[in-house]
Amino acid sequence: QLQLQESGPGLVKPSETLSLTCTVSGGSISSSSYYWGWIRQPPGKGLEWIGSIYYSGSTYYSPSLKSRVTISVDTSKNHFSLNLSSVTAADTAVYYCARANFNTWNGFDYWGQGTLVTVSS
Amino acid sequence: EIVLTQSPGTLSLSPGERATLSCRASQSVSSSYLAWYQQKPGQAPRLLIYGASSRATGIPDRFSGSGSGTDFTLTISRLEPEDFAVYYCQQYGSGWTFGQGTKVEIK
Repeated sequence: QLQLQESGPGLVKPSETLSLTCTVSGGSISSSSYYWGWIRQPPGKGLEWIGSIYYSGSTYYSPSLKSRVTISVDTSKNHFSLNLSSVTAADTAVYYCARANFNTWNGFDYWGQGTLVTVSS
Repeated sequence: EIVLTQSPGTLSLSPGERATLSCRASQSVSSSYLAWYQQKPGQAPRLLIYGASSRATGIPDRFSGSGSGTDFTLTISRLEPEDFAVYYCQQYGSGWTFGQGTKVEIK
């Protein structure tokens, strides 16, 4: 059974960089059938797609976050990572990693449990 | 960027009733790339419908999706107690976007 697990600091100071890693187990991140994505959800609000990456390293970012986001993949470690720079309180959210499956027309069929990141001094 | 607008914001219904949720896109979406998710408090979203009308693995047949172009619908034929949750539509084009969600609450 595929599992995704987010990890990283739960507290980040304003203006600093938020860094999270998603470790994939029970399957290979190098499959040609999937994108791997980051989605966030501010407390009490809806879902916002941040960006996605293909195992080859091709990246796709939300236009509203593109200037601050970098997503990378490490196939040797079977994980992918998110860096979000110059954070503010508005970046406080639960951050999810997820798999977008070509077989479900790029719907996100597996999700991590999510990790709450708070931006505060 | 395609914007998805869901309506209503909240739907108050009783168990056994039919729920109809709407998702309208700011420009035409390929039906292949329209999905619906269910999210319960404290949980990650769960994929319900992909390709506008195909149920994901393990999803009961009381959930159905329809629509094309800019107008899509998620229907829950008879609400079970576990169906009260928030529902999101999502499209894939040059990137992914989500609607703002519809909360289905117990009346």
